[in-house]
Amino acid sequence: NAGVTQTPKFQVLKTGQSMTLQCAQDMNHEYMSWYRQDPGMGLRLIHYSVGAGITDQGEVPNGYNVSRSTTEDFPLRLLSAAPSQTSVYFCASSHPSGFEETQYFGPGTRLLVL
Amino acid sequence: RKEVEQDPGPFNVPEGATVAFNCTYSNSASQSFFWYRQDCRKEPKLLMSVYSSGNEDGRFTAQLNRASQYISLLIRDSKLSDSATYLCGTTDSWGKLQFGAGTQVVVTP
Repeated sequence: NAGVTQTPKFQVLKTGQSMTLQCAQDMNHEYMSWYRQDPGMGLRLIHYSVGAGITDQGEVPNGYNVSRSTTEDFPLRLLSAAPSQTSVYFCASSHPSGFEETQYFGPGTRLLVL
Repeated sequence: RKEVEQDPGPFNVPEGATVAFNCTYSNSASQSFFWYRQDCRKEPKLLMSVYSSGNEDGRFTAQLNRASQYISLLIRDSKLSDSATYLCGTTDSWGKLQFGAGTQVVVTP
């Protein structure tokens, strides 16, 4: 199993550009989530999904969209990038009871918005 | 005020010594508690879940104090490889996982 994979590893964007961060898992996990990690702030939940077709907002959802058309994939879209979205983004998955279970994190995407 | 707070450290620990640190949480309804380990520029990985009765995994001991709303992690016989940032996580009222900002531990020879 590859576990949780994320692409790209690094990305530089200009303010106003849009992009999609990809996340995939091959463990047949129902729960998937996106976090951002900033110095001194820890991991903050952006959006999460409890299964294909179901998504919900986390602590810091503004400026981000998600969809979950398959169990395996959970892309995160930045609609119009802002410097405040410079961060490290982690995707995570878990099974079967969601956040009460071990979260398996992907390797992260480092995003710089100029 | 953050719902999950940790002393950022760093805790500088001589090899072989014991180090302990806490994580406080503000939501009394939190049900699940975890310690994750994060190495520099890597993803977090589960170190251990924290159970009401406390639990031990080798050199690591986790405790939960519901009355004072904190969890603790103790590392005995510290190894150089224990150097990392330790994140605590708790579930909030809606079952979503919230993390603290992490405690950095540096084990020195």
